[in-house]
Amino acid sequence: QKEVEQDPGPLSVPEGAIVSLNCTYSNSAFQYFMWYRQYSRKGPELLMYTYSSGNKEDGRFTAQVDKSSKYISLFIRDSQPSDSATYLCAMRRSGAGSYQLTFGKGTKLSVIP
Amino acid sequence: DARVTQTPRHKVTEMGQEVTMRCQPILGHNTVFWYRQTMMQGLELLAYFRNRAPLDDSGMPKDRFSAEMPDATLATLKIQPSEPRDSAVYFCASGSGTGNTGELFFGEGSRLTVL
Repeated sequence: QKEVEQDPGPLSVPEGAIVSLNCTYSNSAFQYFMWYRQYSRKGPELLMYTYSSGNKEDGRFTAQVDKSSKYISLFIRDSQPSDSATYLCAMRRSGAGSYQLTFGKGTKLSVIP
Repeated sequence: DARVTQTPRHKVTEMGQEVTMRCQPILGHNTVFWYRQTMMQGLELLAYFRNRAPLDDSGMPKDRFSAEMPDATLATLKIQPSEPRDSAVYFCASGSGTGNTGELFFGEGSRLTVL
């Protein structure tokens, strides 16, 4: 079992839909949770960051972390064609020097106009 | 506009040839990572440097891969000899090594095809 599991999709939704993307993980030492967005033929870019459990909202994006279930989610409201990309969850342990990120495989999302 | 720069962007080579990929991290960043991305495995960590010192290269096939940071502005990943299974996109990422997020900034990748 990989440390981080993510359904690769692909996921196709109509414009305006609510999108839910999820990851599960097995390493209870993970404390920092991130979502990266990767457009085709580009490098990943940080989209959202959450520490420990809880919710974080940024515009149309909401990140949730449930450490008791080892489950993280990213919600996109009012999805737009420009949201079409691959979304990768990433996580790392706490502590100085622990900046290595472990990534999920990514979920490819297409938002259809 | 600070960014991580990777060269070459594309490389097609024949099995057995040496391949060198280069990365210029963002000025002032002291952590540098090499990742490999494939459809099957996703993003896999190959090597990790902090202040130019290698901290973790456990994800890298030691017999053919090597990673170095000759100076703070250059990181290299070398494959010798290359094999078709090395075909992938190789990403370099850098980070400041401070703060809580530990955000990594990725380059646009080097797409390698080994025939």
